[in-house]
Amino acid sequence: DAKTTQPNSMESNEEEPVHLPCNHSTISGTDYIHWYRQLPSQGPEYVIHGLTSNVNNRMASLAIAEDRKSSTLILHRATLRDAAVYYCIHDNYGQNFVFGPGTRLSVLP
Amino acid sequence: DAGVTQSPTHLIKTRGQHVTLRCSPISGHKSVSWYQQVLGQGPQFIFQYYEKEERGRGNFPDRFSARQFPNYSSELNVNALLLGDSALYLCASSLGDRVHEQYFGPGTRLTVT
Repeated sequence: DAKTTQPNSMESNEEEPVHLPCNHSTISGTDYIHWYRQLPSQGPEYVIHGLTSNVNNRMASLAIAEDRKSSTLILHRATLRDAAVYYCIHDNYGQNFVFGPGTRLSVLP
Repeated sequence: DAGVTQSPTHLIKTRGQHVTLRCSPISGHKSVSWYQQVLGQGPQFIFQYYEKEERGRGNFPDRFSARQFPNYSSELNVNALLLGDSALYLCASSLGDRVHEQYFGPGTRLTVT
């Protein structure tokens, strides 16, 4: 199974940037790095994905290490609505799309 | 545009029974994946279907099966239900066979008594 390691929990203040780290030392050359988040009582929500280069979208930025063994999800200005469990996954064709325990992000007003 | 829909929302079954869960993907999406989420844990991958063919299978017993129809909707079947099958069953759809940018439905909450 494709495994990632993330901190169990993190805290941030509202309107401050948040950097959520993920280690994926077993990643293969063709695996993409995916981030999803899950708000309470909802299904997971796609955040961002990338292969080698850093990626930006309207929700977040994804910074990928040069050796691809780690990545960081960056929320530029945390809001209360960003409080969720954030999952980092590496996979290619979906057969090993393993969600780990994720990082529970708390946002303080 | 409608998102991923799942039915039923909630279901209560007895041990040994059979259950069928249904999923309709976002219009234009040809891939459907199924996940099981036990309370307090991350979703666990069960199946992926693309163009009506099974493309991936997670570490689940043969009691779990699925299929995808020509309109890309999908069914998940679980036979001989066990108490441990109680969970939230999530369906996700994506555009192509690579599982990028999946969109999840709200899930079906299955309780086995």
